[in-house]
Amino acid sequence: QKEVEQNSGPLSVPEGAIASLNCTYSDRVSQSFFWYRQYSGKSPELIMSIYSNGDKEDGRFTAQLNKASQYVSLLIRDSQPSDSATYLCAAAMDSNYQLIWGAGTKLIIKP
Amino acid sequence: DAGVIQSPRHEVTEMGQEVTLRCKPISGHDYLFWYRQTMMRGLELLIYFNNNVPIDDSGMPEDRFSAKMPNASFSTLKIQPSEPRDSAVYFCASTQGANQPQHFGDGTRLSIL
Repeated sequence: QKEVEQNSGPLSVPEGAIASLNCTYSDRVSQSFFWYRQYSGKSPELIMSIYSNGDKEDGRFTAQLNKASQYVSLLIRDSQPSDSATYLCAAAMDSNYQLIWGAGTKLIIKP
Repeated sequence: DAGVIQSPRHEVTEMGQEVTLRCKPISGHDYLFWYRQTMMRGLELLIYFNNNVPIDDSGMPEDRFSAKMPNASFSTLKIQPSEPRDSAVYFCASTQGANQPQHFGDGTRLSIL
């Protein structure tokens, strides 16, 4: 069974700190990974894509991929209250056009 | 560039009525996906199309649900007859190809009374 797993949270982080969100997957042939942010009542919004092992940085966001250990993470530096949302991890499997979705981690940034 | 466009944004109707949700994908995106999201079950893939052809409809809950894509710029998801347990947010998403991110519309919030 192909699965993507995330801790549902909530994860509470003080403003200005680093928020670390983690995702593990069970299938070794996954090629691409995506992080989406979803505010309450809104649609998922793509914030990061990562395709190869290592780190990828975009502003305050860093995605990390470790295919040997089958995990992908998202770091948010200098967390702001506006980062409070649910973060969804998704993986593309076997060059398939579907994405396998995690259940999402609710992040709360406390002022 | 315009994103994925869904209509209506909200739909409230009585049990037994027919519901039709509409979606226009991003121009040039050959893949279109219909999802349903609830608190209990999260984001569920219902069906997806490639070049207007349904590829996988294994997520469609039952025969009351049907989806069509008559051309590259329009798709519908129909529920007939609707039931209260169909209440959810329905999203449409599109993508250019394999291993690419999907881009979501604003969703339709459906309430069946």
